[in-house]
Amino acid sequence: AQSVTQPDIHITVSEGASLELRCNYSYGATPYLFWYVQSPGQGLQLLLKYFSGDTLVQGIKGFEAEFKRSQSSFNLRKPSVHWSDAAEYFCASFSNDYKLSFGAGTTVTVRA
Amino acid sequence: NAGVTQTPKFQVLKTGQSMTLQCAQDMNHNSMYWYRQDPGMGLRLIYYSASEGTTDKGEVPNGYNVSRLNKREFSLRLESAAPSQTSVYFCASSPVGGAKNIQYFGAGTRLSVL
Repeated sequence: AQSVTQPDIHITVSEGASLELRCNYSYGATPYLFWYVQSPGQGLQLLLKYFSGDTLVQGIKGFEAEFKRSQSSFNLRKPSVHWSDAAEYFCASFSNDYKLSFGAGTTVTVRA
Repeated sequence: NAGVTQTPKFQVLKTGQSMTLQCAQDMNHNSMYWYRQDPGMGLRLIYYSASEGTTDKGEVPNGYNVSRLNKREFSLRLESAAPSQTSVYFCASSPVGGAKNIQYFGAGTRLSVL
């Protein structure tokens, strides 16, 4: 079964700086990978997904993620963060047709 | 465009009380899900309903029951609440099951059991 690890619990970044959030998945069949964002008091919103094909995936809000099979990673990046990017970010993968497995999440704080 | 609607948004219960969390989606999705979110653990699947008339256990089903009332509605019931069930509960839906189907989430229900 797939599982997902997010090594960083909390990241602080300055507004305008670049951001990278790490995600590692356990090896299985073709991984179906997702990044979700949860703003304070809100539900989860899908940022981007990877099913197959081009390993660099573009998402909403200026985010992108790169799938690296050799490293079992699916890291999320943004070149220049805005204060509104302060949120909790979850990496997820499917372990079967119905079970979406989530990482523990990374909280991003943006300082002015 | 409401999407997935959960009620209530907040609830405080005493140990042993019962309650039902409601979820409704207006996207004509076949599959629906209940998750709980606890600090440092991400979201964990409680129950899911692949289609109207079917329900199945997820990762942490103990202490919960569900009902797929119709295609739109999927409720989660706590028969005898325990402090360990203090959590944030999310309902989600997807067009069908399957790994390529995006799940859409509600805003959550924050439950405290005293």
